[in-house]
Amino acid sequence: EVELVESGGGSVQPGRSLTLSCVVSGFKFDDYAMHWVRQTPGKGLEWISSISWNSGSIGYADSVKGRFTISRDNTQNSLYLQIDNLRPEDTALYYCARDVFVRTPVRPGRGMDVWGQGTTVTVSS
Amino acid sequence: QSALTQPPSASGSPGQSVTISCTGTSTDIGGFNYVSWYQHLPGKAPKLIIYEVNKRPSGVPDRFSGSKSGTTASLTVSGLQAEDEGDYYCLSYAGTDRGVFGTGTKVTVV
Repeated sequence: EVELVESGGGSVQPGRSLTLSCVVSGFKFDDYAMHWVRQTPGKGLEWISSISWNSGSIGYADSVKGRFTISRDNTQNSLYLQIDNLRPEDTALYYCARDVFVRTPVRPGRGMDVWGQGTTVTVSS
Repeated sequence: QSALTQPPSASGSPGQSVTISCTGTSTDIGGFNYVSWYQHLPGKAPKLIIYEVNKRPSGVPDRFSGSKSGTTASLTVSGLQAEDEGDYYCLSYAGTDRGVFGTGTKVTVV
């Protein structure tokens, strides 16, 4: 069974750092680009970041560029999102998702066909 | 990188059709054929229903269809059913490995 499981969320103070993880199973992880998407309370979905199958291409939303770092470890079937200098507006449910296609350039928007259940980050003093 | 524009709500009776628009610019929707649509129900993960503008993943009913003209993409749900109620989002490639979601549309079956 194809599965994505996020972890690492929690309640943190502004200015601190956090690393989210997404462990996958049931498919060949190193064949797929991966994505992070968040949903802020009461609001819609926001694309955050994407990484190609070989980490050769990485993209970030303008709203997080410079503070968020996406990475992956294909030997551990794991995707990561490091969040530095957390802000209250980073409070959200963070999802990881798999790209539709195998070994293609990063093209968020083409399609994300498998999603995790999300991990919640709350930033508050 | 502004969010794509969707109508806040759309509704229809069972059996009717509803079309949701997703308006962008020449640097996102208008520049690429990389638009996907997602159904998002409360407490659940988003579900892919259309990829690459008009392709349906296996298991998605053919009542769902997608199209694009210029800088506007559209999702049409034909033969509306009660289970189609939920929030729908478009997502477009915006160049240089970036994406942008739409503002979301709440579909109600009345």
